[in-house]
Parts: sequence; C-alpha cells; structure tokens
Amino acid sequence: QSVLTQPPSVSGAPGQRVTISCSGSSSNIGAGYDVHWYQQLPGTAPKLLIYGNSNRPSGVPDRFSGSKTGTSASLAITGLQAGDEADYYCQSYDISLSGSMFGGGTKLTVL
Amino acid sequence: QLQLQESGPGLVKSSETLSLTCTVSGGSISGSTHYWGWIRQPPGKGLEWIGSIRYTGSTFYNPSLKSRVTISVDTSRNQFSLKLNSVTAADTAVYYCARTKAAAGTIVDYWGQGTLVTVSS
Repeated sequence: QSVLTQPPSVSGAPGQRVTISCSGSSSNIGAGYDVHWYQQLPGTAPKLLIYGNSNRPSGVPDRFSGSKTGTSASLAITGLQAGDEADYYCQSYDISLSGSMFGGGTKLTVL
Repeated sequence: QLQLQESGPGLVKSSETLSLTCTVSGGSISGSTHYWGWIRQPPGKGLEWIGSIRYTGSTFYNPSLKSRVTISVDTSRNQFSLKLNSVTAADTAVYYCARTKAAAGTIVDYWGQGTLVTVSS
C-alpha cells in the first residue's frame, strides 16, 4: 500500500473537467516536498506531466494543471479528450522512507 | 533528443541475479547534473523507484531494496546498469531506466521504453 493515496479510478465525458487527488502525510507532501505527476498511456512508459507541484514541461498542454495544499495535491484536466485515457501517478519524496514514492495510480476513463 | 534503451535477459530464475543495462544516446552521462536510475512496475500494478546513480558513481537506493541492489555507471560507454540479486516472483516487472533531476528519483523527465523481466521458478 502506497504512502501516497490516489483514487483507483475517475471518469468524465469529453469536454468536462476532472480532478485526481493525491493524499499524503506530514512525512512527504505535508513536510514541504514537491509533488510531480505522470501520465501513462496504455502500453507505454510514463511521461512527466507536472513537476514541482504546478509546472508543466514543454509540450504539455495547459489543459493539465497541478496544485498542492497541506498534505494533499491535485491534478486537474480540463477539456477532456479521448486521448487523455490513461493511468496517472503522483510522486513525492518521503523523509521517513528516505526515498521517492509513487501513488498507487488513478485510471482515467473518458466516457 | 535524449533516448534511453534497456537491454538484458527477459527471464531470470528464482534466487539468481537480474542484470540490466541502459544505453543513453543523444546526450552524455558524464558531467550531467542529472541522475540516472531504475524504476519498475509489476504487471497491472504501480511504479516503484529502485535507485539512482550520478556520473561520479554516487548511488542512492530505495531502502526497501537496498540490500539486494547495485547500480553502476560506465561513462566511457554512456551506460548504467542494474543488478538485483536473490530475485523472487515478486521481482517480476517491467523495468524502466530513466533520467531524474534528483538523487531520490523525483522528476523523471526521460524514460526508456521498459523491458519485462519475468522471474521463473
């Protein structure tokens, strides 16, 4: 069981907005460590989507945004598209584990 | 464009050592401010950071795997390698090599395509 908790699945219709949460604790997100997000399309390697809580790498559409508050973080996707169907993972550093950890992943289904 | 490619056996016997190599092209490991690491994903499951290395040879391992893992770097070949000993079925996974911005494996900005390693009994 991951120390970063994500909902197993979320869904939304094309054009809608969805959010994916990542709940941590005082030893990771709450300790001030940044949260990063990855998108894994079926059968492919993950791709960096958001780094440093809210920064987008070059080439990532501004439909994707990240935020962090207290011991949690969120990924928001607006204007949902069929191509957004994927697994999404959050990642942060955990001081008690002395290493980086990934959330369990959230499967996004576009209805 | 930076590219990473894993290579190594796809089948390893239980209790033996898993060995993989990552070849980096389109950029140099030497002198890089980044770290080079390994991340794995059991079939149908989530991601797990295994460890990272810098071109200097400094290594950082996931504490849960540290006793079984060795990561090394060969700057002359622009490669880094993973050895995981005493493997069991629980080590069956897709293994990704990757470039990270931090020693502990955060901010993975380049990934290899991944290679499936199956541990057989």
